[in-house]
Amino acid sequence: AQSVTQLDSHVSVSEGTPVLLRCNYSSSYSPSLFWYVQHPNKGLQLLLKYTSAATLVKGINGFEAEFKKSETSFHLTKPSAHMSDAAEYFCVVSASKIIFGSGTRLSIRP
Amino acid sequence: NAGVTQTPKFQVLKTGQSMTLQCAQDMNHEYMSWYRQDPGMGLRLIHYSVGAGITDQGEVPNGYNVSRSTTEDFPLRLLSAAPSQTSVYFCASRLKGQGYTEAFFGQGTRLTVV
Repeated sequence: AQSVTQLDSHVSVSEGTPVLLRCNYSSSYSPSLFWYVQHPNKGLQLLLKYTSAATLVKGINGFEAEFKKSETSFHLTKPSAHMSDAAEYFCVVSASKIIFGSGTRLSIRP
Repeated sequence: NAGVTQTPKFQVLKTGQSMTLQCAQDMNHEYMSWYRQDPGMGLRLIHYSVGAGITDQGEVPNGYNVSRSTTEDFPLRLLSAAPSQTSVYFCASRLKGQGYTEAFFGQGTRLTVV
Protein backbone atom coordinates (compact mmCIF):
# COMPACT_ATOMS: atom_id res chain seq x y z
CA ALA A 1 0.00 0.00 0.00
CA GLN A 2 1.11 3.56 -0.67
CA SER A 3 0.16 6.77 1.06
CA VAL A 4 1.54 10.24 1.55
CA THR A 5 0.71 12.75 4.25
CA GLN A 6 1.47 16.43 4.06
CA LEU A 7 1.46 17.61 7.62
CA ASP A 8 0.48 21.24 7.01
CA SER A 9 -2.35 22.41 4.79
CA HIS A 10 -1.13 26.02 4.92
CA VAL A 11 2.26 27.54 5.69
CA SER A 12 2.87 31.27 5.88
CA VAL A 13 6.38 32.76 6.06
CA SER A 14 7.91 36.17 5.63
CA GLU A 15 9.92 36.95 2.52
CA GLY A 16 13.58 36.13 3.07
CA THR A 17 12.95 33.56 5.83
CA PRO A 18 13.33 29.77 5.52
CA VAL A 19 10.60 27.52 4.20
CA LEU A 20 9.81 24.04 5.52
CA LEU A 21 7.03 21.93 4.01
CA ARG A 22 6.63 18.55 5.67
CA CYS A 23 5.84 15.23 4.02
CA ASN A 24 5.66 11.68 5.36
CA TYR A 25 5.12 8.65 3.16
CA SER A 26 4.28 4.98 3.37
CA SER A 27 5.08 2.41 0.75
CA SER A 28 5.43 -1.38 0.61
CA TYR A 29 8.17 -0.98 -1.96
CA SER A 30 11.14 1.33 -2.17
CA PRO A 31 9.42 4.33 -3.67
CA SER A 32 10.44 7.29 -5.71
CA LEU A 33 9.41 10.59 -4.20
CA PHE A 34 8.71 13.90 -5.83
CA TRP A 35 7.67 17.43 -5.06
CA TYR A 36 5.50 19.29 -7.55
CA VAL A 37 4.42 22.91 -7.47
CA GLN A 38 1.23 24.42 -8.85
CA HIS A 39 0.83 28.15 -9.22
CA PRO A 40 -2.72 29.54 -9.27
CA ASN A 41 -4.68 28.37 -12.29
CA LYS A 42 -1.61 26.67 -13.71
CA GLY A 43 -0.50 23.11 -14.34
CA LEU A 44 1.90 20.98 -12.32
CA GLN A 45 5.63 21.59 -12.42
CA LEU A 46 8.27 19.18 -11.13
CA LEU A 47 10.41 20.74 -8.39
CA LEU A 48 12.64 17.81 -7.55
CA LYS A 49 12.78 14.02 -7.37
CA TYR A 50 14.35 11.31 -5.23
CA THR A 51 14.97 7.96 -6.93
CA SER A 52 17.37 6.18 -4.49
CA ALA A 53 20.56 8.04 -5.39
CA ALA A 54 21.66 10.85 -3.04
CA THR A 55 19.40 11.39 -0.04
CA LEU A 56 19.70 15.17 -0.30
CA VAL A 57 18.07 16.27 -3.51
CA LYS A 58 18.39 19.70 -5.06
CA GLY A 59 15.66 21.08 -7.25
CA ILE A 60 14.76 24.18 -9.14
CA ASN A 61 14.45 27.68 -7.69
CA GLY A 62 16.63 26.92 -4.67
CA PHE A 63 14.44 24.18 -3.21
CA GLU A 64 15.85 20.98 -1.79
CA ALA A 65 14.54 17.94 0.05
CA GLU A 66 16.08 15.27 2.24
CA PHE A 67 14.98 11.64 2.12
CA LYS A 68 15.05 10.05 5.59
CA LYS A 69 14.12 6.39 5.41
CA SER A 70 14.15 5.90 9.19
CA GLU A 71 11.58 8.68 9.57
CA THR A 72 9.75 7.94 6.27
CA SER A 73 9.98 11.63 5.55
CA PHE A 74 10.77 13.78 2.54
CA HIS A 75 10.53 17.40 3.73
CA LEU A 76 10.95 20.29 1.31
CA THR A 77 13.08 23.28 2.31
CA LYS A 78 14.32 26.56 0.94
CA PRO A 79 16.73 28.86 2.79
CA SER A 80 15.09 32.13 1.80
CA ALA A 81 11.52 32.55 0.58
CA HIS A 82 10.65 34.77 -2.35
CA MET A 83 7.27 36.24 -3.19
CA SER A 84 7.17 34.13 -6.36
CA ASP A 85 7.25 30.95 -4.24
CA ALA A 86 3.63 31.47 -3.23
CA ALA A 87 1.85 28.41 -4.64
CA GLU A 88 0.45 24.97 -3.79
CA TYR A 89 3.04 22.24 -3.21
CA PHE A 90 2.40 18.53 -3.55
CA CYS A 91 4.45 15.65 -2.21
CA VAL A 92 4.08 12.59 -4.43
CA VAL A 93 4.99 8.94 -3.87
CA SER A 94 5.50 6.80 -6.93
CA ALA A 95 5.69 3.02 -6.88
CA SER A 96 3.10 0.76 -8.49
CA LYS A 97 0.94 3.88 -8.83
CA ILE A 98 1.37 7.59 -8.31
CA ILE A 99 -0.25 9.02 -5.19
CA PHE A 100 -0.44 12.71 -4.23
CA GLY A 101 -0.53 14.31 -0.83
CA SER A 102 -3.35 16.71 -0.08
CA GLY A 103 -1.12 19.71 -0.73
CA THR A 104 0.37 22.58 1.25
CA ARG A 105 -0.48 26.14 0.34
CA LEU A 106 2.54 28.37 0.82
CA SER A 107 1.90 32.06 1.45
CA ILE A 108 4.68 34.64 1.55
CA ARG A 109 4.29 37.80 3.66
CA PRO A 110 6.08 40.94 2.41
CA ASN B 1 7.10 16.07 -28.66
CA ALA B 2 3.61 17.06 -27.62
CA GLY B 3 3.88 15.23 -24.26
CA VAL B 4 0.51 14.64 -22.62
CA THR B 5 -2.48 16.19 -24.36
CA GLN B 6 -5.87 16.53 -22.72
CA THR B 7 -9.05 17.61 -24.43
CA PRO B 8 -11.21 19.52 -23.90
CA LYS B 9 -9.76 22.23 -21.65
CA PHE B 10 -13.17 23.34 -20.41
CA GLN B 11 -16.55 21.61 -20.39
CA VAL B 12 -19.98 22.32 -18.95
CA LEU B 13 -22.36 19.38 -18.64
CA LYS B 14 -25.90 19.02 -17.46
CA THR B 15 -26.66 16.49 -14.74
CA GLY B 16 -27.17 13.06 -16.28
CA GLN B 17 -25.21 13.72 -19.45
CA SER B 18 -22.30 11.52 -20.41
CA MET B 19 -18.99 12.54 -21.88
CA THR B 20 -15.45 11.39 -22.48
CA LEU B 21 -12.32 13.26 -21.45
CA GLN B 22 -9.50 12.48 -23.82
CA CYS B 23 -5.87 11.92 -22.87
CA ALA B 24 -3.09 11.08 -25.31
CA GLN B 25 0.68 10.82 -24.92
CA ASP B 26 3.38 10.38 -27.51
CA MET B 27 6.23 9.24 -25.23
CA ASN B 28 5.46 5.49 -25.36
CA HIS B 29 4.75 5.50 -21.62
CA GLU B 30 3.24 2.31 -20.24
CA TYR B 31 1.70 3.93 -17.15
CA MET B 32 -1.17 6.40 -17.43
CA SER B 33 -3.55 7.70 -14.81
CA TRP B 34 -6.42 10.09 -14.18
CA TYR B 35 -6.82 12.42 -11.19
CA ARG B 36 -9.38 14.88 -10.00
CA GLN B 37 -8.33 17.98 -8.10
CA ASP B 38 -10.63 19.54 -5.55
CA PRO B 39 -9.75 22.37 -3.11
CA GLY B 40 -7.97 21.09 0.00
CA MET B 41 -7.87 17.49 -1.22
CA GLY B 42 -4.89 17.42 -3.54
CA LEU B 43 -5.08 15.22 -6.60
CA ARG B 44 -7.00 12.01 -6.02
CA LEU B 45 -6.40 8.99 -8.20
CA ILE B 46 -9.46 7.88 -10.18
CA HIS B 47 -8.15 5.08 -12.40
CA TYR B 48 -4.78 4.00 -13.70
CA SER B 49 -3.30 1.69 -16.30
CA VAL B 50 0.08 -0.03 -16.53
CA GLY B 51 -0.29 -0.94 -20.19
CA ALA B 52 -2.69 -1.56 -23.04
CA GLY B 53 -5.56 -3.77 -21.93
CA ILE B 54 -4.81 -3.31 -18.20
CA THR B 55 -6.68 -0.90 -15.94
CA ASP B 56 -7.23 -0.64 -12.20
CA GLN B 57 -9.19 1.49 -9.78
CA GLY B 58 -7.71 4.28 -7.75
CA GLU B 59 -9.06 6.07 -4.69
CA VAL B 60 -12.23 7.55 -6.19
CA PRO B 61 -13.38 5.39 -9.15
CA ASN B 62 -17.16 5.56 -8.72
CA GLY B 63 -18.97 7.24 -11.60
CA TYR B 64 -16.01 6.92 -13.96
CA ASN B 65 -15.05 4.35 -16.54
CA VAL B 66 -11.78 3.81 -18.41
CA SER B 67 -10.31 1.55 -21.06
CA ARG B 68 -6.84 1.29 -22.59
CA SER B 69 -6.91 -0.12 -26.08
CA THR B 70 -3.63 1.52 -27.17
CA THR B 71 -0.47 2.64 -25.40
CA GLU B 72 -1.08 6.23 -26.48
CA ASP B 73 -4.66 6.84 -25.34
CA PHE B 74 -6.43 6.62 -21.98
CA PRO B 75 -9.93 8.14 -22.15
CA LEU B 76 -12.01 8.81 -19.03
CA ARG B 77 -15.76 8.37 -19.35
CA LEU B 78 -18.37 9.96 -17.14
CA LEU B 79 -21.39 7.73 -17.48
CA SER B 80 -24.03 10.01 -15.93
CA ALA B 81 -22.59 13.32 -14.77
CA ALA B 82 -23.39 14.58 -11.28
CA PRO B 83 -22.65 17.98 -9.67
CA SER B 84 -20.21 16.18 -7.33
CA GLN B 85 -18.04 15.50 -10.38
CA THR B 86 -17.40 19.20 -10.88
CA SER B 87 -13.64 19.34 -10.65
CA VAL B 88 -10.39 19.82 -12.51
CA TYR B 89 -9.18 16.60 -14.09
CA PHE B 90 -5.55 15.78 -14.84
CA CYS B 91 -4.08 12.98 -16.88
CA ALA B 92 -0.55 11.74 -16.25
CA SER B 93 1.87 9.30 -17.82
CA ARG B 94 5.25 7.84 -16.99
CA LEU B 95 7.52 4.95 -17.82
CA LYS B 96 6.87 1.70 -15.98
CA GLY B 97 9.56 -0.25 -14.20
CA GLN B 98 12.38 0.19 -11.72
CA GLY B 99 13.87 3.57 -10.97
CA TYR B 100 10.55 5.21 -11.51
CA THR B 101 10.79 8.37 -13.48
CA GLU B 102 8.72 11.45 -12.91
CA ALA B 103 5.22 11.72 -14.30
CA PHE B 104 4.26 14.08 -17.07
CA PHE B 105 0.93 15.84 -16.78
CA GLY B 106 -1.61 17.26 -19.14
CA GLN B 107 -2.78 20.84 -18.67
CA GLY B 108 -6.06 19.78 -17.10
CA THR B 109 -9.75 19.79 -17.97
CA ARG B 110 -12.03 22.04 -15.95
CA LEU B 111 -15.42 20.32 -15.78
CA THR B 112 -18.57 21.92 -14.42
CA VAL B 113 -21.74 19.86 -13.96
CA VAL B 114 -24.90 21.93 -13.52
